[in-house]
Amino acid sequence: QQPVQSPQAVILREGEDAVINCSSSKALYSVHWYRQKHGEAPVFLMILLKGGEQKGHEKISASFNEKKQQSSLYLTASQLSYSGTYFCGAAHAGGTSYGKLTFGQGTILTVHP
Amino acid sequence: SAVISQKPSRDICQRGTSLTIQCQVDSQVTMMFWYRQQPGQSLTLIATANQGSEATYESGFVIDKFPISRPNLTFSTLTVSNMSPEDSSIYLCSAAARQAIQETQYFGPGTRLLVL
Repeated sequence: QQPVQSPQAVILREGEDAVINCSSSKALYSVHWYRQKHGEAPVFLMILLKGGEQKGHEKISASFNEKKQQSSLYLTASQLSYSGTYFCGAAHAGGTSYGKLTFGQGTILTVHP
Repeated sequence: SAVISQKPSRDICQRGTSLTIQCQVDSQVTMMFWYRQQPGQSLTLIATANQGSEATYESGFVIDKFPISRPNLTFSTLTVSNMSPEDSSIYLCSAAARQAIQETQYFGPGTRLLVL
């Protein structure tokens, strides 16, 4: 089942903050966050595994709620280089599905000077 | 981290022909996947490329249309057969060192396919 991302698009000025959400109706085994710039491959940002987990650093961090049904990506003091499309991927467990990802529809982030 | 290369990087093909895309990983990996990404859209998993056995296809994708090979732990191919304009898309391969929900998947640069 595809996770749902919100918002679909965000426009920021340099230095502003943004939050991107990724939600599922069922508990996720893990959430993987990626950023993709136009014409390039998705680049891995981070994985969250445990309910209540928070990780990352000062500028880009993420959380996973206790029920493991929602993850949020936090972009602080945005820079021009943050522009791109952000995807969350939900990992599957069990049988031959183990480890494959189902991606959300993506959030387009644009940072202006 | 794994470094993944794909060939060709782009191609323009005629309707009814087939194209084979190669994916090479710089280290041995357990899992290799093939995705399709329409312009401006999300990534859709086509199949898991299994080493030494038939690929595992997702709903809506069949072996006759997208045959996949994986002869060893570092290489896989995806063939797009009997192409139509609807097959125009970006095809990406990804790899993960282990079959685990916490394992990072790394992506190749993609193959941009246009079918006329």
